[in-house]
Amino acid sequence: DSGVTQTPKHLITATGQRVTLRCSPRSGDLSVYWYQQSLDQGLQFLIQYYNGEERAKGNILERFSAQQFPDLHSELNLSSLELGDSALYFCASSVGDSFSGNTIYFGEGSWLTVV
Amino acid sequence: GQQLNQSPQSMFIQEGEDVSMNCTSSSIFNTWLWYKQDPGEGPVLLIALYKAGELTSNGRLTAQFGITRKDSFLNISASIPSDVGIYFCAGHPRHNSGGSNYKLTFGKGTLLTVNP
Repeated sequence: DSGVTQTPKHLITATGQRVTLRCSPRSGDLSVYWYQQSLDQGLQFLIQYYNGEERAKGNILERFSAQQFPDLHSELNLSSLELGDSALYFCASSVGDSFSGNTIYFGEGSWLTVV
Repeated sequence: GQQLNQSPQSMFIQEGEDVSMNCTSSSIFNTWLWYKQDPGEGPVLLIALYKAGELTSNGRLTAQFGITRKDSFLNISASIPSDVGIYFCAGHPRHNSGGSNYKLTFGKGTLLTVNP
């Protein structure tokens, strides 16, 4: 158990719909990261928040957005869903922002299926 | 973006055999990390490497940070059935020095199957 909690574990929804994935980081971790894992693209970084503020963006679509709340939990919002958005979405957390000596811990993921 | 070439894509071995997998990059990396992902789980960090030439062990696992800083390998000795899973290499490119963890780049993974 990494200490990173993600909900829901599984989600099936229709194209065009909107879903929200939730993540609670490990106790004491200020950074939250969202990754998308698909068979063809592997693990792709989407976005990072640090202490409530957006820190960095990766390959995140405009239809997707995220936020980190004062209690440090984070939500990833996926809208106008397409079949290609079906993937495993991971949340990860770390204590700080710099990679030096910082370990990133992954949650168990939220499996999204768009039909 | 940065690309990590991880090989082999998959391996089928007998219990007790040793395993070796590696990652290469066309550019220099500041860190190399090895993760294992079990079915239905998130990636779990196995070994982290921070210096060129560094050789680090974690039980039956040994990993090395290549001297050129463009490659790393992971060895598993005396494999057991619970070693089954997908192994990912990951790293921070050199230009990310002091920056955010977001530029942690992952390889495509090596699927390991161990036959009892």
